[in-house]
Amino acid sequence: QVQLVESGGGLVKPGGSLRLSCAASGFTFSDYYMSWIRQAPGKGLEWVSYISSSGSTIYYADSVKGRFTISRDNAKNSLYLQMNSLRAEDTAVYYCARDPKGDYGMDVWGQGTTVTVSS
Amino acid sequence: QSALTQPASVSGSPGQSITISCTGTSSDVGSYNLVSWYQQHPGKAPKLMIYEVSKRPSGVSNRFSGSKSGNTASLTISGLQAEDEADYYCCSYAGSRGVFGGGTKLTVL
Repeated sequence: QVQLVESGGGLVKPGGSLRLSCAASGFTFSDYYMSWIRQAPGKGLEWVSYISSSGSTIYYADSVKGRFTISRDNAKNSLYLQMNSLRAEDTAVYYCARDPKGDYGMDVWGQGTTVTVSS
Repeated sequence: QSALTQPASVSGSPGQSITISCTGTSSDVGSYNLVSWYQQHPGKAPKLMIYEVSKRPSGVSNRFSGSKSGNTASLTISGLQAEDEADYYCCSYAGSRGVFGGGTKLTVL
């Protein structure tokens, strides 16, 4: 079945780094745009980053620009989010999501991975 | 990057209809017919309920419908059921970014 599984979350100190992964299965990963979305504890959803099917087009929210890097490996059916210079306000559940048309209409979501930034 | 504006909460009784609004600007909601709506139950991942303003994915009940007028999009749920109680988020295409609403908690009385 169509599935996205995130991994790589954990506890990290402010200023530290973390790399999230999202493993896709059940569909042709290379055909789809993908996004990362996060949700701080008790808060709403926040779009973080977007990558086109080929990886040639990438966008970031202002809140993470210059600190986070999205990438994908279509041969491995995997999406990544490299997070550097982490701040307390980056603490959240991070979801990866499939975006069939690249218009932020995200039809498949993973279960999320939790990132906690704290000293 | 301002979020879209949604009411914090709405409520309704079983069988009734409710509407959740989502107000943006001419740079997002007003410029594109690319508004989506997501349902999120506590501790769960969001689920796509409406895309491209008014289209329903396969498997989503036809009790859910979407519309848009100007800078405001709306989600209507008819024939409210207990399982509809959840948080609802709108999201709009805004070119090089996506923008979510702050979320609306729906309570079924």
